[in-house]
Amino acid sequence: GAVVSQHPSWVICKSGTSVKIECRSLDFQATTMFWYRQFPKQSLMLMATSNEGSKATYEQGVEKDKFLINHASLTLSTLTVTSAHPEDSSFYICSARDNYKETQYFGPGTRLLVL
Amino acid sequence: DAKTTQPTSMDCAEGRAANLPCNHSTISGNEYVYWYRQIHSQGPQYIIHGLKNNETNEMASLIITEDRKSSTLILPHATLRDTAVYYCIVRPSSGSARQLTFGSGTQLTVLP
Repeated sequence: GAVVSQHPSWVICKSGTSVKIECRSLDFQATTMFWYRQFPKQSLMLMATSNEGSKATYEQGVEKDKFLINHASLTLSTLTVTSAHPEDSSFYICSARDNYKETQYFGPGTRLLVL
Repeated sequence: DAKTTQPTSMDCAEGRAANLPCNHSTISGNEYVYWYRQIHSQGPQYIIHGLKNNETNEMASLIITEDRKSSTLILPHATLRDTAVYYCIVRPSSGSARQLTFGSGTQLTVLP
């Protein structure tokens, strides 16, 4: 089956530092990838949609200067949380849409804790 | 996007079939029905999707009513590992709105 990996799986950082999360589609190409955020006991909320080689599209209320997204290849997208603060602590999940199957597959998630 | 309505929670006995309903009465002709599940503290897992016809794979069956206004996901022999939140999502087949938008889902608890 289609596999999406995320790294790291969890990270603890100090307030004010930046954190980069990688998302890779391992066995398929994905022109389009998505980043979601999930707070405890809530559903997934779409943060942004990224297309390979172009700027990401952010959902309303998501700061594009705080959550930097780069989608430089058909198998890799990165999310950088800049100057992280405790309120950014959350479960970040990436997703990649298979170019041929049109199905979205999800990574295992990255748990971020900002102290 | 068409919205979906799912029960908040359901229980199922281990070994029995789990039937999870979903209402999507405003679905458009070009929108697919997707099912995902999320086991605690993991990323969502794709289960199955369909447009008009019933679908079956190694994980589940998807039954879509003829008017396409509702569907049922069937796990034929539920196990304890099937305990998860199940999401029913409708998504256009083309266009800029093809991202998946998650609702609250159904918490399925499989009981021993």
